[in-house]
Amino acid sequence: GAGVSQSPSNKVTEKGKDVELRCDPISGHTALYWYRQSLGQGLEFLIYFQGNSAPDKSGLPSDRFSAERTGGSVSTLTIQRTQQEDSAVYLCASSRLGNIQYFGAGTRLSVL
Amino acid sequence: AQKVTQAQTEISVVEKEDVTLDCVYETRDTTYYLFWYKQPPSGELVFLIRRNSFDEQNEISGRYSWNFQKSTSSFNFTITASQVVDSAVYFCALSDFYGGATNKLIFGTGTLLAVQP
Repeated sequence: GAGVSQSPSNKVTEKGKDVELRCDPISGHTALYWYRQSLGQGLEFLIYFQGNSAPDKSGLPSDRFSAERTGGSVSTLTIQRTQQEDSAVYLCASSRLGNIQYFGAGTRLSVL
Repeated sequence: AQKVTQAQTEISVVEKEDVTLDCVYETRDTTYYLFWYKQPPSGELVFLIRRNSFDEQNEISGRYSWNFQKSTSSFNFTITASQVVDSAVYFCALSDFYGGATNKLIFGTGTLLAVQP
């Protein structure tokens, strides 16, 4: 079946602009995760959704970052007023509750 | 606090050599999961294995084997007779286990494996 789908695969933006990153999880997976991979910080957790609620937002680095999930499916990660330090690969993963996480190919964000 | 350490930043081997990737973890939990993921140049993280803390049996899957030792908090990964296609970054990760947990993954910094022909 289809895997986790992320779009866009690459995004170049100017400092100060807002960006939206999309994740379409594997069908039937109730849990959805966002991670960020950067040279300086490695792979780090951002936020976890169970259904449409986010019981763990502990990894969001600032209030410029937000995420939502609708219909227990697609999730959008929004970064407002982007900064150069936001440049990274943003990875989405989904799983059945408590099960193995499967990752998408990521969105490479470059902030100029 | 939970932490995963992969001390080997880069390893280079010649095809057909065996190679072991080290992983050491820290956690206060008595039950937890350990994982290995592979990240080839295409960038997508590929799941390789999950072990729970109850089960210290070694596991073998083809050319891959994993050695879990609770006494040393290690979960090492060995590739036998390495091939060029094994070239990738390998990540070890840890997550909690109990009901209601987030199960978020705590990753090590990764080991870049280069297999030369």
